[in-house]
Amino acid sequence: QSALTQPASVSGSPGQSITISCTGTSSDVGGYNYVCWYQHHPGKAPKLMIYEVTNRPSGVPDRFSGSKSGNTASLTISGLQAEDEADYYCTSYTGSSTVFGGGTKLTVL
Amino acid sequence: QVQLVQSGSELKEPGASVKVSCKASGYTFTRYAMNWVRLAPGQGLEWMGWINTNTGKPAYAQGFTGRFVFSLDTSVSTAYLQISSLKAEDTAVYYCARDFKRSSFDSWGQGTLVTVSS
Repeated sequence: QSALTQPASVSGSPGQSITISCTGTSSDVGGYNYVCWYQHHPGKAPKLMIYEVTNRPSGVPDRFSGSKSGNTASLTISGLQAEDEADYYCTSYTGSSTVFGGGTKLTVL
Repeated sequence: QVQLVQSGSELKEPGASVKVSCKASGYTFTRYAMNWVRLAPGQGLEWMGWINTNTGKPAYAQGFTGRFVFSLDTSVSTAYLQISSLKAEDTAVYYCARDFKRSSFDSWGQGTLVTVSS
């Protein structure tokens, strides 16, 4: 199972919106509505931000939203804040396993 | 509240073995699968596989067969990752993560740094 494709880096200024893409295949992202997004600050445990493509766990700000079209999922962060600077990973269920994206480093300028 | 607490950092020589523990609390351990994820230096998160906490049956991702073993002690709500014949490239932070729904990991351990060096 190949890793999902994410941009290596994205950046934005405070208050702006950014979108991170996550491209897979019909065997993972396109085939199941079990796409997640995780925020990872170095040295800390990853945090689930979005599950089942669009759902936010309790406590995650509604500035974070997820979507999917075909084999590509997206994470949008609106109203960027300094604390959003982190690595972001997408994952997808594949029917028998989990596949991660390569990760995207978000820089808040 | 749900909590996963992992064992502390390990420094091992090449060829040795290591066993990382992940103790769960705040929920019924056998109701949720446990996954293991690796973060190697300069790399991204990588799924290693999972273990069915009800049956004890493990499943390993490609690249994590042979030297990697997942196990459980349900009496103490603990999952284990054992790595044998350690190599320098096994140096990484290893995380356990609870799967609450089809590869959705809602709770993570704090990570265990395993360093392999002579």
